[in-house]
Amino acid sequence: SQQGEEDPQALSIQEGENATMNCSYKTSINNLQWYRQNSGRGLVHLILIRSNEREKHSGRLRVTLDTSKKSSSLLITASRAADTASYFCATVNFGNEKLTFGTGTRLTIIP
Amino acid sequence: KAGVTQTPRYLIKTRGQQVTLSCSPISGHRSVSWYQQTPGQGLQFLFEYFSETQRNKGNFPGRFSGRQFSNSRSEMNVSTLELGDSALYLCASSRNPGLQTDTQYFGPGTRLTVL
Repeated sequence: SQQGEEDPQALSIQEGENATMNCSYKTSINNLQWYRQNSGRGLVHLILIRSNEREKHSGRLRVTLDTSKKSSSLLITASRAADTASYFCATVNFGNEKLTFGTGTRLTIIP
Repeated sequence: KAGVTQTPRYLIKTRGQQVTLSCSPISGHRSVSWYQQTPGQGLQFLFEYFSETQRNKGNFPGRFSGRQFSNSRSEMNVSTLELGDSALYLCASSRNPGLQTDTQYFGPGTRLTVL
């Protein structure tokens, strides 16, 4: 079963614009991670945010976590064509050390 | 450092057959996890191995099994294949078990098609 729901399911924006994806989950977590997947290939780890953190940055990526609302967002600034991919959030629960993935957001950057 | 490798990359089988997929983790990584990705169910955890022992298991039938060797390489086996087993099977490795702080590195996957 999947822990998270991602919103939107699909997003198309112009190159240079910012892209925001949201993830909601159901149970208490130890940490939340974001991954990128290019068309049917392996997953690439983007960023990990712990349950006691509220915001984290990595390059053009900004992740926020609101544990009271059980939600997270991923912001990609100044998007590029190479950012076209599917993005997944994944949670790690306390005492159950496996990744539980969300449904994913398909991001398309229009050149 | 070489990444996670999976073999074969593509596989076509018929219903009732069995299949074995292989995963070689990043050098020095001792934990290997397997995931199944399908359009309908998304990404689902199969199992995790560390030091040749299964540490964690997802909700899959007993037809799905795995093992890990002393060199940390892992294999997963699916017996009596069903059409619904058609999926991308992803392997991931990490240095240590547990994901509180450790990042998993994914391989390119094996695309299994069951006819």
